[in-house]
Amino acid sequence: DGGITQSPKYLFRKEGQNVTLSCEQNLNHDAMYWYRQDPGQGLRLIYYSQIVNDFQKGDIAEGYSVSREKKESFPLTVTSAQKNPTAFYLCASQWGQGLNTEAFFGQGTRLTVV
Amino acid sequence: DAKTTQPTSMDCAEGRAANLPCNHSTISGNEYVYWYRQIHSQGPQYIIHGLKNNETNEMASLIITEDRKSSTLILPHATLRDTAVYYCIVSFDSWGKLQFGAGTQVVVTP
Repeated sequence: DGGITQSPKYLFRKEGQNVTLSCEQNLNHDAMYWYRQDPGQGLRLIYYSQIVNDFQKGDIAEGYSVSREKKESFPLTVTSAQKNPTAFYLCASQWGQGLNTEAFFGQGTRLTVV
Repeated sequence: DAKTTQPTSMDCAEGRAANLPCNHSTISGNEYVYWYRQIHSQGPQYIIHGLKNNETNEMASLIITEDRKSSTLILPHATLRDTAVYYCIVSFDSWGKLQFGAGTQVVVTP
């Protein structure tokens, strides 16, 4: 089945450690996005990528890093510089450029710092 | 991107139509209106989008006013599985970066 897959579903991290969240899509989509969601709030954009080997900062990029070496993959690293990393992280993909296309979301990774 | 205003919450009886309003008074001519919903602890799900004309698909209908300053999402026959947070988003960005607000918490009751 075509879709977008995030792993793991739950992740625990000790303070001071970096951790990488996986996002893979087999929809042949050009654009991929990472969002963060805190309890009771909407989604906020962390990073996005329009094409392989290129990505742009979103609204809350500090303390995060990404790579886009393959069209299918857009991993997010939460670094120790992120002051409050506990949150629900969502990856999305979209078909190319255009307002007339919808975004497809993964099921999310819930990160908890212990 | 234009901002949207939605009610914080609303209840709906199972089997009845749910009408979800959204105000977007600063929308510009080439911005689309999108609706997504998010069931608890899951990723958002696309519902429908439109520019000027009313739209309908298997999930819902979207009614956009003639001046485009507001819209209404209609779930024709609400079921318990429609309980979710519904987000109304307007987007100018050509790559469709979505600005999510707090949305409307819809609770469908038996």
